[in-house]
Amino acid sequence: AQRVTQPEKLLSVFKGAPVELKCNYSYSGSPELFWYVQYSRQRLQLLLRHISRESIKGFTADLNKGETSFHLKKPFAQEEDSAMYYCALNSGGYQKVTFGTGTKLQVIP
Amino acid sequence: KAGVTQTPRYLIKTRGQQVTLSCSPISGHRSVSWYQQTPGQGLQFLFEYFSETQRNKGNFPGRFSGRQFSNSRSEMNVSTLELGDSALYLCASRDQGDRAEAFFGQGTRLTVV
Repeated sequence: AQRVTQPEKLLSVFKGAPVELKCNYSYSGSPELFWYVQYSRQRLQLLLRHISRESIKGFTADLNKGETSFHLKKPFAQEEDSAMYYCALNSGGYQKVTFGTGTKLQVIP
Repeated sequence: KAGVTQTPRYLIKTRGQQVTLSCSPISGHRSVSWYQQTPGQGLQFLFEYFSETQRNKGNFPGRFSGRQFSNSRSEMNVSTLELGDSALYLCASRDQGDRAEAFFGQGTRLTVV
């Protein structure tokens, strides 16, 4: 069975500090990993996906198959980054998308 | 294209009642999934429909049910409401590609009193 683990419920960092939101997954095949973000009073939306290998709003995430991780990183946190972040796994075929429990990022001014 | 639309946005029901929530996916999307979002449990998967068939199901009691119509619109029904059913219910639609991203609606906030 596929599983996504986000060990931190809350992560507080100061503005300008580096950010790393952790995500580990379990799946034996070749999954596609996503990060979704939910800003206050807005709908959950895609932030980035590993297959795109792009940086969105300064965030990057690298898929590490050896460690089965897909951590989200940003070198300098901004106040507008404060939001709820969910890591998700899509194993393709007819499998559902599996979400982690989410990490609330709080950037302190 | 219009985004995923969920109605109603807010609902207040009493224990024991039933409720029906509606979701209109993005035009052309045939997959619709439902999630329950609570502060303590995060996003919990309820079920997914594809072309009017339930394709996947989460670990929720039988009081939670759903269906999908030929135009891909989906409804979710919860019977015999309990206080613990209070949550934000999110609907997401996906394109046919099996690794497509999910597009979410704004959710229906259900409060059971």
